[in-house]
Amino acid sequence: QKEVEQDPGPLSVPEGAIVSLNCTYSNSAFQYFMWYRQYSRKGPELLMYTYSSGNKEDGRFTAQVDKSSKYISLFIRDSQPSDSATYLCAMSVRSSVPTFGRGTSLIVHP
Amino acid sequence: DTAVSQTPKYLVTQMGNDKSIKCEQNLGHDTMYWYKQDSKKFLKIMFSYNNKELIINETVPNRFSPKSPDKAHLNLHINSLELGDSAVYFCASSRSELAGSKETQYFGPGTRLLVL
Repeated sequence: QKEVEQDPGPLSVPEGAIVSLNCTYSNSAFQYFMWYRQYSRKGPELLMYTYSSGNKEDGRFTAQVDKSSKYISLFIRDSQPSDSATYLCAMSVRSSVPTFGRGTSLIVHP
Repeated sequence: DTAVSQTPKYLVTQMGNDKSIKCEQNLGHDTMYWYKQDSKKFLKIMFSYNNKELIINETVPNRFSPKSPDKAHLNLHINSLELGDSAVYFCASSRSELAGSKETQYFGPGTRLLVL
């Protein structure tokens, strides 16, 4: 079992839909949880960052962490075609380089 | 101004050749990284340098040798290229080596390497 599991998709949704992206992990020592967005032929860019359990909201994006279930989610409200990208979850123990999921490809069609 | 830049963007070469990829960051960060992203999109850390000193060296063939002439630059030299080296190589930087805690990593645009 990989340390971080993420369904590669693709996930195809109509414009305006609520998108739910998820990752599970096995290392209970992970404390820091991140979501990166990677457009085609570009480098990943940090979208959301959360420490420990709980929710964090930033505009149309909400990140959730459930440490008891070792499960994290990213919700995108009112999805737009410009949200079409690969979304990578990443997580780490303090002082460590993040471990990345393989990314979920999201396609938002008009 | 590009924060983390890499050259070249594309690299097509024959098996057995030696090639280098260069990375520069203008963010004033102390720590730089090389990642490899394979065809299945897995992003794996290869090396990390903090203030020109190697701090992470994952299980990578010794054909790969990073070099940091100063803290703004981290180059990757690859000897005797093999077919399996074909991937996208990303450089990244962060303010300190505590990437993954409060320190965000900033990624370059990637270098697409194809070994024929």
